[in-house]
Amino acid sequence: GEQVEQLPSSLIVQEGASVLINCSYTDSASVYFPWYKQEPGKRLQFIIDIRSNMERKQNQRLTLLFDKKTKHLSLHITATQPGDSAIYFCSASRMPNYNVLYFGSGTKLTVEP
Amino acid sequence: DMKVTQMPRYLIKRMGENVLLECGQDMSHETMYWYRQDPGLGLQLIYISYDVDSNSEGDIPKGYRVSRKKREHFSLILDSAKTNQTSVYFCASSPLPGNSDYTFGSGTRLLVI
Repeated sequence: GEQVEQLPSSLIVQEGASVLINCSYTDSASVYFPWYKQEPGKRLQFIIDIRSNMERKQNQRLTLLFDKKTKHLSLHITATQPGDSAIYFCSASRMPNYNVLYFGSGTKLTVEP
Repeated sequence: DMKVTQMPRYLIKRMGENVLLECGQDMSHETMYWYRQDPGLGLQLIYISYDVDSNSEGDIPKGYRVSRKKREHFSLILDSAKTNQTSVYFCASSPLPGNSDYTFGSGTRLLVI
């Protein structure tokens, strides 16, 4: 089945810094890649997504880059704030069963004031 | 406010006891899911339910079973719990087949001793 890997597993930055979270997948049939954020003790919340026919998507301070050839995604967060501290999950869904998401192991981001 | 509600939030059980985790959603979503989350492993799919009495195994169904008798309610059952089933269990729902727009519950933290 699909394997989704994320690096790094954890990250500590100072407020205002930019961060990059990398994600790779194995199945070329994967076509949709939502990302989720999980604050401590809270539920996962959707933050941004991209489809395989796109290369780039931006939502305020989040930019998601997608390289279909290398099966690689990067989430760039600019001007980080302490409220960005959370675990970030990359996920992938593939044809024909779009329902099922395969998750990476998560990247724990800590933003220090 | 659309939501997925999980009960209980925390649970301690002895090895060999039966465990019932409950999940409800108020969005009339057809598809519901049970995932478990373990440190360093991300979320792993246990079961998916496409509608009432229409359930399929996910990646790690062994030791679990599910029940969906009403669209808004999806239960996860552990018959004779094992210590390696200690984990955080997340329920999620999505509106239509082929739609990855998940809404997650807040999770149930299960400790099997």
